[in-house]
Amino acid sequence: DTAVSQTPKYLVTQMGNDKSIKCEQNLGHDTMYWYKQDSKKFLKIMFSYNNKELIINETVPNRFSPKSPDKAHLNLHINSLELGDSAVYFCASSHDRGGTDTQYFGPGTRLTVL
Amino acid sequence: AQSVTQPDIHITVSEGASLELRCNYSYGATPYLFWYVQSPGQGLQLLLKYFSGDTLVQGIKGFEAEFKRSQSSFNLRKPSVHWSDAAEYFCAVAPEYGNKLVFGAGTILRVKS
Repeated sequence: DTAVSQTPKYLVTQMGNDKSIKCEQNLGHDTMYWYKQDSKKFLKIMFSYNNKELIINETVPNRFSPKSPDKAHLNLHINSLELGDSAVYFCASSHDRGGTDTQYFGPGTRLTVL
Repeated sequence: AQSVTQPDIHITVSEGASLELRCNYSYGATPYLFWYVQSPGQGLQLLLKYFSGDTLVQGIKGFEAEFKRSQSSFNLRKPSVHWSDAAEYFCAVAPEYGNKLVFGAGTILRVKS
């Protein structure tokens, strides 16, 4: 059973399009995260939700909008895609909201904007 | 703000040789420290973590790490590297009362036979 799953695994799209990435966790965790890993492999947090409540919102363009329909799902919607959005996006989850709790990562979604 | 430095971008070791990956952090108090591994095309997997107590922490896959407060370091070690250890390794830090995990830039480990 996959603990944290993401779809799609690969996403290739044109500039200006709108796309979504979905994430689901079956660990019963209360907190979920989105991270962006750029071409230099630097991993940076974007958003975090705890029980459907936004608790971390880093300096991210407002073209990025997370949505959590329930605590097992955290989706990422991106409007008006730009070349610089090309990256690998990782979803993660943890039992508690603190950064000290072990985070479990999904396999990543590689987004390529042409 | 806390930060994490992994000074080695790439490291190459021979199979069977010992390994040490360096990690230094910047934070006023004792943070919570983690090492994650990312195999090609995969997500990150936790190797080990340090919160308090014994400064030598054992993890999965034969890895260990030692917390040295005086050096603000949390270096990862393995006595004998296997070819399957080739991956990218990330050190991360979280403040005790914060809600954010901060990652280092990663170290790519190559294993030669």
